[in-house]
Amino acid sequence: QKEVEQDPGPLSVPEGAIVSLNCTYSNSAFQYFMWYRQYSRKGPELLMYTYSSGNKEDGRFTAQVDKSSKYISLFIRDSQPSDSATYLCAMRVNTGGFKTIFGAGTRLFVKA
Amino acid sequence: EAGVTQSPTHLIKTRGQQATLRCSPISGHTSVYWYQQALGLGLQFLLWYDEGEERNRGNFPPRFSGRQFPNYSSELNVNALELEDSALYLCASSRGTLGANEQFFGPGTRLTVL
Repeated sequence: QKEVEQDPGPLSVPEGAIVSLNCTYSNSAFQYFMWYRQYSRKGPELLMYTYSSGNKEDGRFTAQVDKSSKYISLFIRDSQPSDSATYLCAMRVNTGGFKTIFGAGTRLFVKA
Repeated sequence: EAGVTQSPTHLIKTRGQQATLRCSPISGHTSVYWYQQALGLGLQFLLWYDEGEERNRGNFPPRFSGRQFPNYSSELNVNALELEDSALYLCASSRGTLGANEQFFGPGTRLTVL
């Protein structure tokens, strides 16, 4: 079993839709949870990160962490064609050398 | 502020050869991370350097090695290349250990092994 599971998609939605992207994980020691966006032929860019459980909002993006269920989500409101990209979740544990584990990424297409 | 830069953009090698990939971090960043992004496998952590020392290593064979220079730039060396080493190699940097949650990525080097 992978430490981090993420549905690769693709996920196709109409412009203006609310998008929900999710990851599950198996290591209860993870403390930091990140979401990255990667456009084609580019490196990933950090969207937001959260520590422990709870919600964090930044503009149209909301990150949610449920440590009891080992489940994290990224919500995108009022999705735009420019949001079309691959979204990667990532997690870190501050033991054993601060290793970051990435999900495989979900490809999102927002249709105009 | 200049971002993370990587060179070369593309690299084509044959099986058994050696590849050297280079990374320059954002000014002020002391930590450099290397990842392999193979098709369908997501980002796999390779190496982490901070202040010139290797801090952590992923589950890759010893033929993957690297170093960090006094100016915090880094290079990744892959010896005895195999076909499955073909991938996008991404470098990221952060403000040292405490900034590791905010890694800034470069555009990557596309390595093709024939």
